[in-house]
Amino acid sequence: GQNIDQPTEMTATEGAIVQINCTYQTSGFNGLFWYQQHAGEAPTFLSYNVLDGLEEKGRFSSFLSRSKGYSYLLLKELQMKDSASYLCAVTEGSTLGRLYFGRGTQLTVWP
Amino acid sequence: DGGITQSPKYLFRKEGQNVTLSCEQNLNHDAMYWYRQDPGQGLRLIYYSQIVNDFQKGDIAEGYSVSREKKESFPLTVTSAQKNPTAFYLCASSIRPTIRPYNEQFFGPGTRLTVL
Repeated sequence: GQNIDQPTEMTATEGAIVQINCTYQTSGFNGLFWYQQHAGEAPTFLSYNVLDGLEEKGRFSSFLSRSKGYSYLLLKELQMKDSASYLCAVTEGSTLGRLYFGRGTQLTVWP
Repeated sequence: DGGITQSPKYLFRKEGQNVTLSCEQNLNHDAMYWYRQDPGQGLRLIYYSQIVNDFQKGDIAEGYSVSREKKESFPLTVTSAQKNPTAFYLCASSIRPTIRPYNEQFFGPGTRLTVL
């Protein structure tokens, strides 16, 4: 089976930097996604990592270490609108197409 | 504009009634998925379909049924056998993962089902 773990809640202040961690245990790892979900809305795609290293996209960056089963999402210059749930999801080679989601990390950004 | 639509946004039903949730996409995607989301939990997969006329059970299929007669449509029926149906239901689609492993899923706006 899959075991995906991320913190339940985090808080930060506007303008700060926050790092949301995700650890996973899965066979046949085939990539890791980060999604953002505002309350009552659909998740929206943020990033995809399949190789080790850092992928940067504006204020958001995502890092992957396959050997450690570890990823993080880094949010810089936090804004109030970044208050949302951040979902980590992995794919496996044996079940192409399926995403296995963690429980999500609820981030609250304070002024 | 291409996208995924789910209707209605809010749905109320009496206990013991079956209810069908709609999901339509015009992204020309082969694969479609149904998830359930409960407070404090991540997305759990109910059913998925990689091609028309074919679908597979996800992790929590009991009490649900689906059909995939058209590429654009993947309706989900919540039957009276589902013990705790009140939840937020999300539909998603992607290109067929056998074409490209990077299978970003695009989500619809969701249907919040409340069973009274």
